Amino acid sequence: ETGVTQSPTHLIKTRGQQVTLRCSSQSGHNTVSWYQQALGQGPQFIFQYYREEENGRGNFPPRFSGLQFPNYSSELNVNALELDDSALYLCASSPPGLAGTQYFGPGTRLLVL
Amino acid sequence: KNEVEQSPQNLTAQEGEFITINCSYSVGISALHWLQQHPGGGIVSLFMLSSGKKKHGRLIATINIQEKHSSLHITASHPRDSAVYICAVSLTGNQFYFGTGTSLTVIP
Repeated sequence: ETGVTQSPTHLIKTRGQQVTLRCSSQSGHNTVSWYQQALGQGPQFIFQYYREEENGRGNFPPRFSGLQFPNYSSELNVNALELDDSALYLCASSPPGLAGTQYFGPGTRLLVL
Repeated sequence: KNEVEQSPQNLTAQEGEFITINCSYSVGISALHWLQQHPGGGIVSLFMLSSGKKKHGRLIATINIQEKHSSLHITASHPRDSAVYICAVSLTGNQFYFGTGTSLTVIP
């Protein structure tokens, strides 16, 4: 069984650019959550998708947006990148009926210059 | 103020020592999670607790719902236990709040 995968592993962008990060959930998992982890901090909840609909959002501006596809994979899009967006972006998937159990991907490390 | 507070932030121990990491939270929760994060970012879920105590190998997690407090204990610590340990709480509505983590280094 394949676990949660994320791509790319590392990414460098410049301020003002846009970025798309991708997450493939574990097989059979229909809930995907995205987190931002700044250096030395714990992860911060960005949003969650359940069956292709947004199912909760943390305190992030609208330039952070997402999608979930019919196969439950997901994208995180960030527009108008700012220096403070530099962080590790983690995706986690949950099986049906067990949204409190999350399986994390390895993360995408984004550096904004 | 963070919804989840952990202590200590950093911990260095000699191999074989008994280790305790503490977590306090300020919100009503559906469950509390202990996670382990290795250098490079990968996160592994260790425990999910809603009451009482759980044990897995040398790891023990306890939670006191009334006091809104949880502890993670590591018995007979080993250098391979070196990692960041993160406490997280899940609320109804499936939102997670994370502590800032405890960085543990176990010296041989």
